[in-house]
Amino acid sequence: ETGVTQTPRHLVMGMTNKKSLKCEQHLGHNAMYWYKQSAKKPLELMFVYNFKEQTENNSVPSRFSPECPNSSHLFLHLHTLQPEDSALYLCASSQGVVDYNIYFGPGTRLTVT
Amino acid sequence: LAKTTQPISMDSYEGQEVNITCSHNNIATNDYITWYQQFPSQGPRFIIQGYKTKVTNEVASLFIPADRKSSTLSLPRVSLSDTAVYYCLVVDTGGGNKLTFGTGTQLKVEL
Repeated sequence: ETGVTQTPRHLVMGMTNKKSLKCEQHLGHNAMYWYKQSAKKPLELMFVYNFKEQTENNSVPSRFSPECPNSSHLFLHLHTLQPEDSALYLCASSQGVVDYNIYFGPGTRLTVT
Repeated sequence: LAKTTQPISMDSYEGQEVNITCSHNNIATNDYITWYQQFPSQGPRFIIQGYKTKVTNEVASLFIPADRKSSTLSLPRVSLSDTAVYYCLVVDTGGGNKLTFGTGTQLKVEL
């Protein structure tokens, strides 16, 4: 148990749908992250939040919209996605943004049809 | 960011020691070497971190030579459950978290 939970674990959505991924960390951490892992590709950092403030957006398309209402919760709102957005979306947290020990959640397997 | 290079895959048998070497020729003074493990359909998990010489914990050992341009993750007596992807990362602890994952090394352990 990593202390980082994600829901749903699997999601299938059409290109015109709107859905949200949810992440919650129970570790008292201050930094939270969204990563994307596509088949046969390295993990890509998407967004970084530190004390609820977004500190990094790694040139992510606007069809992905993050939200961090507090240090324990992180959302990724999805709309008008493309089939190439199908991937494993991983949430993670760490004590601070200079912490090398990052705790990952189990991920949401997203399929866009 | 210091780039890392590691083998794409390795095969081993249960009970053997596995050594995975990573090169990071452009490592900077503030950089730490960190290794993560990822099982299929799960998020990566931190294994070990070091700056120089040798670090050992209950999971693995990390060997870093004096020039720090490479590092070796050593897994003693592997079992089937050690089959996973192992990532070598160089982390700039002086400038904010920049965890950049490469493609990792796919370790396959067989009977």
